[in-house]
Amino acid sequence: DVKVTQSSRYLVKRTGEKVFLECVQDMDHENMFWYRQDPGLGLRLIYFSYDVKMKEKGDIPEGYSVSREKKERFSLILESASTNQTSMYLCASNLQGSVRETQYFGPGTRLLVL
Amino acid sequence: AQSVTQPDIHITVSEGASLELRCNYSYGATPYLFWYVQSPGQGLQLLLKYFSGDTLVQGIKGFEAEFKRSQSSFNLRKPSVHWSDAAEYFCAGAYGGATNKLIFGTGTLLAVQP
Repeated sequence: DVKVTQSSRYLVKRTGEKVFLECVQDMDHENMFWYRQDPGLGLRLIYFSYDVKMKEKGDIPEGYSVSREKKERFSLILESASTNQTSMYLCASNLQGSVRETQYFGPGTRLLVL
Repeated sequence: AQSVTQPDIHITVSEGASLELRCNYSYGATPYLFWYVQSPGQGLQLLLKYFSGDTLVQGIKGFEAEFKRSQSSFNLRKPSVHWSDAAEYFCAGAYGGATNKLIFGTGTLLAVQP
């Protein structure tokens, strides 16, 4: 079974803090993704990575950065957290290729920024 | 612009009743289409996907979906709903080719009455 794990299920941070969200997959997938999920908006792609040290902006990259130093790990960084970044963050991964390859999701990190 | 629309935000059905969740897409070409389910506190799980060929697609957990080009729809169905089907359901679509970007609908929250 593919497993995508996220470092925290719940996180509470203060405005201005630097926040790291970690994602690890165990299936040797080339592609990894970060989404945020908000009620009424569905899932929106923040960033994705198609290889180590490679990244591409998604639809809402502002205020976020990412890091992929190892194939299995993809980190989302909020350089200076703001209250409008309070959300559910979902990580996903899939095999390289077209979008035909199923994306497998982690359980999500619910982030509250005070 | 590419979009996926789920017109129903919230649906309630009785256990044992049939279910149909609506999804409409807007693309120039035939998209790849997916249905995902998110149970409470969980990540997204793929139910089924359509790329081409037979327009009736069978998925896991007894779900099926039918692609109708004339209506730009990809509705999800189940003949008899179980209480464990209560969850949020997301339709997603993408162009083919090398892109890995999925476009998600806003989700439909399904409640099941005993």
